This record gives sequence, structure tokens and C-alpha cells, in this order.
Amino acid sequence: NAGVTQTPKFQVLKTGQSMTLQCAQDMNHNSMYWYRQDPGMGLRLIYYSASEGTTDKGEVPNGYNVSRLNKREFSLRLESAAPSQTSVYFCASSPLGQGDPYEQYFGPGTRLTVT
Amino acid sequence: RKEVEQDPGPFNVPEGATVAFNCTYSNSASQSFFWYRQDCRKEPKLLMSVYSSGNEDGRFTAQLNRASQYISLLIRDSKLSDSATYLCVVNRGSTLGRLYFGRGTQLTVWP
Repeated sequence: NAGVTQTPKFQVLKTGQSMTLQCAQDMNHNSMYWYRQDPGMGLRLIYYSASEGTTDKGEVPNGYNVSRLNKREFSLRLESAAPSQTSVYFCASSPLGQGDPYEQYFGPGTRLTVT
Repeated sequence: RKEVEQDPGPFNVPEGATVAFNCTYSNSASQSFFWYRQDCRKEPKLLMSVYSSGNEDGRFTAQLNRASQYISLLIRDSKLSDSATYLCVVNRGSTLGRLYFGRGTQLTVWP
């Protein structure tokens, strides 16, 4: 049982390049989330998916797109990276309807630098 | 106004000390409350949920004051391993499970 996994762990991009951050969970959770964490800003929600086939914008969605490929996988895409997107990106999942519905389980994060 | 406000610290305390963190939330509709712990360069992990009646887990005590929209975390007999950032987290009760995170309070426990 790996929990929430994210790839890659580290990435350096040049301005204008695109990339997709991958996230998968093996806990059969319904909801999945993408956050970014910047110094002094705390965790900010980019997008979330309450169930397979649905996605919604969070607090800071501009410059990002997401895909809930199936129940396990939720990817985050940067179409044209900008230096302002330099951050640590965390994926999380939540059971909803099972046990504590609001606890979120986080992946180890992706450290992205855009030059 | 931010959804969740915390004093960022840092708090530097000796081993064995008692330390308390406070947090306020702005939305009176918030229904679920948590403290998460985040070690340096690691992901956040749930430390404990916060219930209306207050709850304790070993050396950790969490309290909620709905009237003042205030949450606290008390750590007794601090250990070196308690050094981390503590995140105050609230949920508005949405079935979507969306959480709002404070910026975190940094704690360093020194020998």
C-alpha cells in the first residue's frame, strides 16, 4: 500500500515549457486535490476532483489544467510554465464517506523550478 | 480576510517545555477542524482532529471555541521530535471535503 505517489520529485523547466505532474493513490479514495505551497503562503488549492469524471477550480487555478483519468489518477498540467509557478506541488486524496471524511492524505510533493 | 490565520512563529522552546499555538478562522460555517504537522521538506500529515468538547492525544491537547472562532493546540513535555511546522486546518462542511490551511506555526525544540 503506497498511499499517494507523485512523479517527478524534482523538475526544472524553462519559461514557456510544458509538463504534467502525475499523482496516483491506491486507497480507493473518491476525492483528489492539487495544492501548491510557497514560503509564507501556506498551502493553496489549485484544483480538486470530488469524484471520477469531475473537476473544480480551487483558489489559484490560472495557468493549470487537470485531468481525473480514473479513480486512482489525477494529473496537473502546466501548459506554458512561468517563473511564478516555481513552487512545491502536493497531491492529496480523501476518502469521503469512509471514516473521517475530511482527512487528506498527501503525496511527497514535486519541487518545481521555472527559470 | 484569510480563511485561517496563524502566528507563524518561530517558537523556540527547550525540551520539556509546554507550548501553545493558536489559530482563528473567519467563516462561522466551518464545521470540521484539524491540526496537521509538516516536517521540513516533507508532506503534511494529520496530527489530530479538533472536536467541540476538546480532545487529547497523549501530550497533545486541542481545543475549539466556536463563539470566538478560535482553535488551539497545546503540547506538553516537548520532545526534540516535535520540531516541525503545525498547520491549522478547517473545513466548511462541504461534502467536497475542501480544506483551508493556515500558513503554519514553526516550532523548534532544543536540547
